[in-house]
Amino acid sequence: QQQVKQSPQSLIVQKGGISIINCAYENTAFDYFPWYQQFPGKGPALLIAIRPDVSEKKEGRFTISFNKSAKQFSLHIMDSQPGDSATYFCAAVGGRRGGGNKLTFGTGTQLKVEL
Amino acid sequence: NAGVMQNPRHLVRRRGQEARLRCSPVKGHSHVYWYRQLPEEGLKFMVYLQKENIIDESGMPKERFSAEFPKEGPSILRIQQVVRGDSAAYFCASSPPHTDTQYFGPGTRLTVL
Repeated sequence: QQQVKQSPQSLIVQKGGISIINCAYENTAFDYFPWYQQFPGKGPALLIAIRPDVSEKKEGRFTISFNKSAKQFSLHIMDSQPGDSATYFCAAVGGRRGGGNKLTFGTGTQLKVEL
Repeated sequence: NAGVMQNPRHLVRRRGQEARLRCSPVKGHSHVYWYRQLPEEGLKFMVYLQKENIIDESGMPKERFSAEFPKEGPSILRIQQVVRGDSAAYFCASSPPHTDTQYFGPGTRLTVL
């Protein structure tokens, strides 16, 4: 059962453009939503994260928009650069069993930023 | 500051052999998670451990897979009698207690021939 749905599967953006990746979740127990960036052959690296008590969080060129009623959240990359070309995963945490924070990941979006 | 370390980075095994994957968390982190990434797929949770305890193994296959995080030394993910379907990247993540942020290691890429 896929609890976090991510789209699109792949995305091509021109340099300087805006990249937008969307995620939707089902489990209302989720209360922490991080985004990870992964380069080929590397481990995921935390990019930015949000909690449902805020509707938007911005860090540099990266912004998360969060819509609690729709159970959706999205990543916006402003002024996209070729160095942003990577796979992006949304994730969700909640229902902490024993205090743990296991991540439920989306299926990933391969972003390519072209010159 | 050393991040999460995993070794080996690449591991090749023949069907039926055992695979042992090691993870050293960030110093001071007492929580360790293992995730598996199959080719062209996202990461799937396998197991969550604290020192000497398995807290949540709801994502672990019922057979052949086991994990430990001893009082001293790295966390170990052990796969017995590997099959081709076990070929994947296995990632370890660690976090300090009472935080949501997890830091991932570079992964071990297991290939089963």
